[in-house]
Amino acid sequence: RKEVEQDPGPFNVPEGATVAFNCTYSNSASQSFFWYRQDCRKEPKLLMSVYSSGNEDGRFTAQLNRASQYISLLIRDSKLSDSATYLCVVKGMNTGFQKLVFGTGTRLLVSP
Amino acid sequence: GAGVSQSPSNKVTEKGKDVELRCDPISGHTALYWYRQSLGQGLEFLIYFQGNSAPDKSGLPSDRFSAERTGGSVSTLTIQRTQQEDSAVYLCASSFPLAGGITDTQYFGPGTRLTVL
Repeated sequence: RKEVEQDPGPFNVPEGATVAFNCTYSNSASQSFFWYRQDCRKEPKLLMSVYSSGNEDGRFTAQLNRASQYISLLIRDSKLSDSATYLCVVKGMNTGFQKLVFGTGTRLLVSP
Repeated sequence: GAGVSQSPSNKVTEKGKDVELRCDPISGHTALYWYRQSLGQGLEFLIYFQGNSAPDKSGLPSDRFSAERTGGSVSTLTIQRTQQEDSAVYLCASSFPLAGGITDTQYFGPGTRLTVL
């Protein structure tokens, strides 16, 4: 089983739609959680951290359920520019340093 | 300011040849990471450098892979006797670690796309 699992998609949605991505992680000792965004043939960039209490950044809302080892990302009022791959990232200890483990990503396509 | 830079951006090589990939981290970032991303796959951790400490090499897939970081700044990832399965995008990231061994946000370079024929 992969340490971080995501639905690969693609999710095809019209502009203005609300879309949600889910992610599960296997290591219950994982300490920090993030969503990264990766555009086609570009490097990943941090979108937002995910906190236990849930957090919101504009149209983006991230939530964490530690009991279920589940992370979500909600995008409201989708824009064409939101089209990208969204990577679920989990940070845990590895031989003394905190290692990031990346999911394979969920691809989002927003159409006019 | 300048971000993480990597060179070359693209590298095509023949099976069996050695390649060197270079990473220039953000100035002042003491932590440096190498990852690779194969088509349709997630990022795979390769190696981690932190200051003058011994690197964490736990992610290197074979002894054909090695990396150095000279002077605590520039890093070179070397792949010897390349194989076709080494074809991937090799990404470098750097960060400025916070206290207690916690790493701050990782900033990625644009990557080197390696194709082994």
